[in-house]
Amino acid sequence: DSGVTQTPKHLITATGQRVTLRCSPRSGDLSVYWYQQSLDQGLQFLIQYYNGEERAKGNILERFSAQQFPDLHSELNLSSLELGDSALYFCASSVELTGTFEAFFGQGTRLTVV
Amino acid sequence: AQKITQTQPGMFVQEKEAVTLDCTYDTSDPSYGLFWYKQPSSGEMIFLIYQGSYDQQNATEGRYSLNFQKARKSANLVISASQLGDSAMYFCAMRGDHNFGNEKLTFGTGTRLTIIP
Repeated sequence: DSGVTQTPKHLITATGQRVTLRCSPRSGDLSVYWYQQSLDQGLQFLIQYYNGEERAKGNILERFSAQQFPDLHSELNLSSLELGDSALYFCASSVELTGTFEAFFGQGTRLTVV
Repeated sequence: AQKITQTQPGMFVQEKEAVTLDCTYDTSDPSYGLFWYKQPSSGEMIFLIYQGSYDQQNATEGRYSLNFQKARKSANLVISASQLGDSAMYFCAMRGDHNFGNEKLTFGTGTRLTIIP
């Protein structure tokens, strides 16, 4: 158990809908990262938060948004869903920004858009 | 820009043999961390081992060791005495220097390892 909790584990929804994925980082971890893993794209970095503030953005679509709350949990909102959004979405957390600290992943949310 | 290259899309190894998974990286950051993750068919990402750029010794964690050659920019994972449960996808990743805004994990494309009984 990595200590990072993601809910839900599985989500099936229709095109055009909106969903929210939730991530609780390990206790004490200030930095949260969101990744998308689809079959043809590998692991793509979406967005990073550090202590409530957006730190970095990757290949995140405008239809997607995220935030980190004061208790450090984070939510990833996906709207106007398309079939191509079907993927495994991971959250990872790290205690600090420095690259010399490990990052641990949650179990992922498998999103299927039908 | 950070880049991770894994040149072995798939490998087949006999049970109990040692296996080396290749990873090369590219960065100009003064400090960075290198990681290996295992992703079994169930999908979760399991942290295996970490090597810091300033670490003098190669990292080891049980049957896993990281062969770090800084001058060659390589960070190969060695699994000793492979087991059937080692069959999975393996990802090499790097975190760069946060002073350059590079602290996110950058992943390679992965190597699918299959252990043959």
